[in-house]
Amino acid sequence: GAGVSQSPSNKVTEKGKDVELRCDPISGHTALYWYRQRLGQGLEFLIYFQGNSAPDKSGLPSDRFSAERTGESVSTLTIQRTQQEDSAVYLCASSQQGNQPQHFGDGTRLSIL
Amino acid sequence: QQQVKQSPQSLIVQKGGISIINCAYENTAFDYFPWYQQFPGKGPALLIAIRPDVSEKKEGRFTISFNKSAKQFSLHIMDSQPGDSATYFCAFRSNSGYALNFGKGTSLLVTP
Repeated sequence: GAGVSQSPSNKVTEKGKDVELRCDPISGHTALYWYRQRLGQGLEFLIYFQGNSAPDKSGLPSDRFSAERTGESVSTLTIQRTQQEDSAVYLCASSQQGNQPQHFGDGTRLSIL
Repeated sequence: QQQVKQSPQSLIVQKGGISIINCAYENTAFDYFPWYQQFPGKGPALLIAIRPDVSEKKEGRFTISFNKSAKQFSLHIMDSQPGDSATYFCAFRSNSGYALNFGKGTSLLVTP
Protein backbone atom coordinates (compact mmCIF):
# COMPACT_ATOMS: atom_id res chain seq x y z
CA GLY A 1 0.00 0.00 0.00
CA ALA A 2 0.94 3.62 -0.35
CA GLY A 3 0.47 4.62 3.27
CA VAL A 4 1.90 3.70 6.66
CA SER A 5 0.63 0.29 7.72
CA GLN A 6 0.33 -0.83 11.33
CA SER A 7 -0.56 -4.19 12.78
CA PRO A 8 -2.44 -5.42 14.58
CA SER A 9 -5.18 -2.80 14.43
CA ASN A 10 -6.42 -3.91 17.83
CA LYS A 11 -4.72 -5.81 20.62
CA VAL A 12 -6.22 -6.93 23.91
CA THR A 13 -3.92 -8.51 26.44
CA GLU A 14 -3.66 -9.23 30.12
CA LYS A 15 -1.66 -7.13 32.52
CA GLY A 16 1.89 -8.38 32.78
CA LYS A 17 2.10 -9.80 29.26
CA ASP A 18 4.51 -8.54 26.61
CA VAL A 19 3.21 -7.07 23.36
CA GLU A 20 4.79 -6.28 20.00
CA LEU A 21 3.39 -3.66 17.66
CA ARG A 22 4.49 -3.45 14.04
CA CYS A 23 4.88 -0.54 11.65
CA ASP A 24 5.53 -0.63 7.92
CA PRO A 25 6.48 2.87 6.78
CA ILE A 26 5.93 4.39 3.38
CA SER A 27 8.47 2.92 0.97
CA GLY A 28 11.60 5.04 0.77
CA HIS A 29 10.94 6.99 3.96
CA THR A 30 14.10 7.03 6.01
CA ALA A 31 12.59 8.57 9.15
CA LEU A 32 10.13 6.74 11.38
CA TYR A 33 8.38 7.83 14.57
CA TRP A 34 6.29 6.24 17.27
CA TYR A 35 3.67 8.21 19.22
CA ARG A 36 1.13 7.29 21.87
CA GLN A 37 -2.39 8.72 22.07
CA ARG A 38 -4.35 8.25 25.24
CA LEU A 39 -8.12 8.57 25.09
CA GLY A 40 -9.15 12.15 24.39
CA GLN A 41 -5.58 13.40 24.43
CA GLY A 42 -3.01 14.65 21.99
CA LEU A 43 -0.17 12.55 20.74
CA GLU A 44 2.91 11.93 22.88
CA PHE A 45 6.21 11.36 21.12
CA LEU A 46 7.98 8.12 21.99
CA ILE A 47 10.93 7.54 19.67
CA TYR A 48 12.43 8.65 16.36
CA PHE A 49 14.43 6.51 13.93
CA GLN A 50 16.69 7.74 11.18
CA GLY A 51 17.48 4.66 9.16
CA ASN A 52 17.99 1.86 11.68
CA SER A 53 19.34 4.16 14.39
CA ALA A 54 17.30 5.90 17.08
CA PRO A 55 18.90 9.28 17.78
CA ASP A 56 15.94 10.37 19.92
CA LYS A 57 14.45 7.99 22.46
CA SER A 58 13.52 10.72 24.89
CA GLY A 59 9.79 9.95 24.89
CA LEU A 60 9.96 6.31 25.96
CA PRO A 61 8.15 6.35 29.32
CA SER A 62 10.05 3.53 31.01
CA ASP A 63 12.52 0.75 30.39
CA ARG A 64 9.58 -1.54 29.69
CA PHE A 65 9.32 0.16 26.31
CA SER A 66 11.74 -0.55 23.50
CA ALA A 67 11.76 -0.29 19.73
CA GLU A 68 13.87 -1.42 16.85
CA ARG A 69 13.98 -0.90 13.14
CA THR A 70 15.53 -3.21 10.58
CA GLY A 71 16.39 -2.86 6.91
CA GLU A 72 15.53 0.84 7.15
CA SER A 73 11.95 -0.33 6.89
CA VAL A 74 9.81 -2.22 9.39
CA SER A 75 9.81 -1.14 13.01
CA THR A 76 8.60 -2.98 16.09
CA LEU A 77 7.58 -1.36 19.36
CA THR A 78 7.74 -3.76 22.30
CA ILE A 79 6.11 -3.21 25.66
CA GLN A 80 7.16 -5.64 28.37
CA ARG A 81 5.14 -6.49 31.48
CA THR A 82 2.23 -4.37 30.32
CA GLN A 83 0.35 -2.21 32.81
CA GLN A 84 -3.16 -0.80 32.58
CA GLU A 85 -1.79 2.70 32.03
CA ASP A 86 -0.24 1.43 28.79
CA SER A 87 -3.73 1.25 27.27
CA ALA A 88 -3.72 3.71 24.38
CA VAL A 89 -3.53 3.97 20.61
CA TYR A 90 0.03 3.60 19.40
CA LEU A 91 0.66 5.51 16.20
CA CYS A 92 3.52 5.22 13.78
CA ALA A 93 4.53 7.91 11.30
CA SER A 94 7.15 8.14 8.60
CA SER A 95 8.72 10.92 6.58
CA GLN A 96 11.15 11.07 3.68
CA GLN A 97 13.75 12.59 5.98
CA GLY A 98 13.68 13.87 9.53
CA ASN A 99 12.68 17.41 8.63
CA GLN A 100 9.93 16.45 6.20
CA PRO A 101 6.16 16.15 6.87
CA GLN A 102 5.14 13.15 8.93
CA HIS A 103 2.48 10.76 7.63
CA PHE A 104 0.64 8.60 10.12
CA GLY A 105 -0.79 5.12 10.08
CA ASP A 106 -4.15 4.33 11.67
CA GLY A 107 -2.54 2.99 14.81
CA THR A 108 -2.83 -0.03 17.06
CA ARG A 109 -5.43 0.22 19.78
CA LEU A 110 -3.95 -1.52 22.82
CA SER A 111 -6.17 -2.52 25.71
CA ILE A 112 -4.69 -3.98 28.89
CA LEU A 113 -7.13 -5.94 31.03
CA GLN B 1 4.98 18.58 29.56
CA GLN B 2 2.47 20.77 27.80
CA GLN B 3 4.26 23.36 25.71
CA VAL B 4 1.34 24.28 23.49
CA LYS B 5 -2.14 25.17 24.68
CA GLN B 6 -4.95 24.52 22.23
CA SER B 7 -8.41 26.04 22.45
CA PRO B 8 -11.29 25.56 22.42
CA GLN B 9 -11.55 21.94 23.50
CA SER B 10 -14.74 21.58 21.44
CA LEU B 11 -16.49 23.70 18.86
CA ILE B 12 -19.87 23.64 17.15
CA VAL B 13 -20.28 25.61 13.94
CA GLN B 14 -23.14 25.83 11.50
CA LYS B 15 -22.59 24.75 7.91
CA GLY B 16 -21.11 27.64 5.96
CA GLY B 17 -19.63 29.29 9.03
CA ILE B 18 -16.02 29.89 9.98
CA SER B 19 -14.29 27.55 12.42
CA ILE B 20 -11.39 29.03 14.36
CA ILE B 21 -8.97 27.03 16.50
CA ASN B 22 -6.13 28.63 18.40
CA CYS B 23 -2.82 27.44 19.77
CA ALA B 24 -0.47 29.32 22.08
CA TYR B 25 3.08 28.19 22.62
CA GLU B 26 5.73 29.01 25.20
CA ASN B 27 9.10 28.24 23.72
CA THR B 28 10.30 30.25 20.74
CA ALA B 29 12.77 27.71 19.40
CA PHE B 30 10.36 26.21 16.90
CA ASP B 31 10.72 25.88 13.17
CA TYR B 32 7.57 24.18 11.94
CA PHE B 33 3.87 24.29 12.85
CA PRO B 34 1.62 21.66 11.27
CA TRP B 35 -2.09 21.09 11.76
CA TYR B 36 -3.52 17.60 11.66
CA GLN B 37 -7.10 16.39 11.14
CA GLN B 38 -8.19 13.13 12.72
CA PHE B 39 -11.38 11.16 12.13
CA PRO B 40 -12.52 8.50 14.62
CA GLY B 41 -10.55 5.28 14.27
CA LYS B 42 -8.05 6.84 11.88
CA GLY B 43 -4.58 8.27 12.22
CA PRO B 44 -3.99 12.02 12.02
CA ALA B 45 -3.72 13.40 8.51
CA LEU B 46 -1.60 16.44 7.72
CA LEU B 47 -3.86 19.31 6.80
CA ILE B 48 -1.63 22.34 6.41
CA ALA B 49 1.65 23.57 7.87
CA ILE B 50 3.54 26.84 8.28
CA ARG B 51 7.04 27.98 9.19
CA PRO B 52 7.67 30.95 11.49
CA ASP B 53 9.04 33.16 8.73
CA VAL B 54 5.56 33.27 7.15
CA SER B 55 2.58 35.01 8.78
CA GLU B 56 -0.19 33.33 6.84
CA LYS B 57 -0.72 30.36 4.56
CA LYS B 58 -3.89 29.44 2.72
CA GLU B 59 -4.81 26.14 1.10
CA GLY B 60 -8.35 26.00 -0.20
CA ARG B 61 -10.73 26.62 2.68
CA PHE B 62 -7.99 26.23 5.30
CA THR B 63 -5.82 29.11 6.48
CA ILE B 64 -3.09 29.22 9.11
CA SER B 65 -2.30 32.55 10.71
CA PHE B 66 0.87 32.97 12.73
CA ASN B 67 1.47 35.77 15.23
CA LYS B 68 5.07 35.47 16.34
CA SER B 69 4.98 38.35 18.84
CA ALA B 70 1.91 36.89 20.58
CA LYS B 71 3.30 33.34 20.31
CA GLN B 72 0.05 32.16 18.79
CA PHE B 73 -1.03 30.40 15.64
CA SER B 74 -4.53 29.61 14.52
CA LEU B 75 -6.43 27.54 12.00
CA HIS B 76 -9.38 29.02 10.15
CA ILE B 77 -11.78 26.79 8.24
CA MET B 78 -13.89 28.87 5.89
CA ASP B 79 -17.32 27.71 4.64
CA SER B 80 -17.26 24.84 7.16
CA GLN B 81 -18.93 21.63 6.00
CA PRO B 82 -20.35 18.65 7.92
CA GLY B 83 -17.50 16.58 6.43
CA ASP B 84 -15.06 18.79 8.32
CA SER B 85 -16.37 17.36 11.60
CA ALA B 86 -13.28 15.82 13.16
CA THR B 87 -10.64 16.43 15.81
CA TYR B 88 -7.97 18.95 14.91
CA PHE B 89 -4.51 19.06 16.45
CA CYS B 90 -1.94 21.79 16.28
CA ALA B 91 1.68 20.77 16.68
CA PHE B 92 5.14 22.22 16.61
CA ARG B 93 8.61 20.97 16.00
CA SER B 94 11.52 22.47 17.86
CA ASN B 95 14.54 23.52 15.87
CA SER B 96 16.68 21.04 17.79
CA GLY B 97 14.88 17.83 16.88
CA TYR B 98 12.35 16.09 14.70
CA ALA B 99 9.65 15.04 17.18
CA LEU B 100 6.28 16.78 16.95
CA ASN B 101 4.69 18.16 20.11
CA PHE B 102 0.92 18.13 19.91
CA GLY B 103 -1.84 20.15 21.47
CA LYS B 104 -4.67 18.26 23.17
CA GLY B 105 -6.99 18.65 20.21
CA THR B 106 -10.24 20.40 19.32
CA SER B 107 -13.34 18.42 18.51
CA LEU B 108 -15.20 20.22 15.74
CA LEU B 109 -18.83 19.52 14.89
CA VAL B 110 -20.32 21.23 11.85
CA THR B 111 -24.10 21.07 11.90
CA PRO B 112 -26.14 20.89 8.70
